[in-house]
Amino acid sequence: KNQVEQSPQSLIILEGKNCTLQCNYTVSPFSNLRWYKQDTGRGPVSLTIMTFSENTKSNGRYTATLDADTKQSSLHITASQLSDSASYICVVRERTGANNLFFGTGTRLTVIP
Amino acid sequence: DAGVIQSPRHEVTEMGQEVTLRCKPISGHDYLFWYRQTMMRGLELLIYFNNNVPIDDSGMPEDRFSAKMPNASFSTLKIQPSEPRDSAVYFCASSSQTGGRLAGYNEQFFGPGTRLTVL
Repeated sequence: KNQVEQSPQSLIILEGKNCTLQCNYTVSPFSNLRWYKQDTGRGPVSLTIMTFSENTKSNGRYTATLDADTKQSSLHITASQLSDSASYICVVRERTGANNLFFGTGTRLTVIP
Repeated sequence: DAGVIQSPRHEVTEMGQEVTLRCKPISGHDYLFWYRQTMMRGLELLIYFNNNVPIDDSGMPEDRFSAKMPNASFSTLKIQPSEPRDSAVYFCASSSQTGGRLAGYNEQFFGPGTRLTVL
């Protein structure tokens, strides 16, 4: 069964600290994996996309990694800011004609001063 | 571009009433998606359209839900009759298919959502 699981479910960190969010998936065959950031009351916004051949990709203070062998991805946030408080959703696309998407339930990050 | 536009932003209704949610995708995008988001289940794809044609509606929970896309710039999601368990945030998203090797990689742009409360 194709699934995407994220951990932790929620996380509270102090401003300026680093954190890492995890995404494990069983989706196969794999096409790509996106990390979305969803601010409260807003729609999700794409942070980064990882394809099969990519191991790491950065977008400012956000760095995503992908291990396609173990079917794991992580999102590392460096020097967190209050504006990083949001839900982070991992979405995996299946490589079939249907291009189905599988969503994690997200990690709720709260950055406190 | 104003992005994906959804209306209303908030809707409170009583059980049994008809609810219509509206979406205007980004101009030029040929894919439109309707999602439902709840705390328990996260984001769930309900239905998506390509060039105004419904492609996959397997996520539509039951016959009370219906979606239409009469033209490239407008779509509706209707719930009739509504039930308290339909309470959720409903998102519309659109994307552009560039085709070829990049097909399927295209980013979906989400609207701000409609928060539906059914009493």
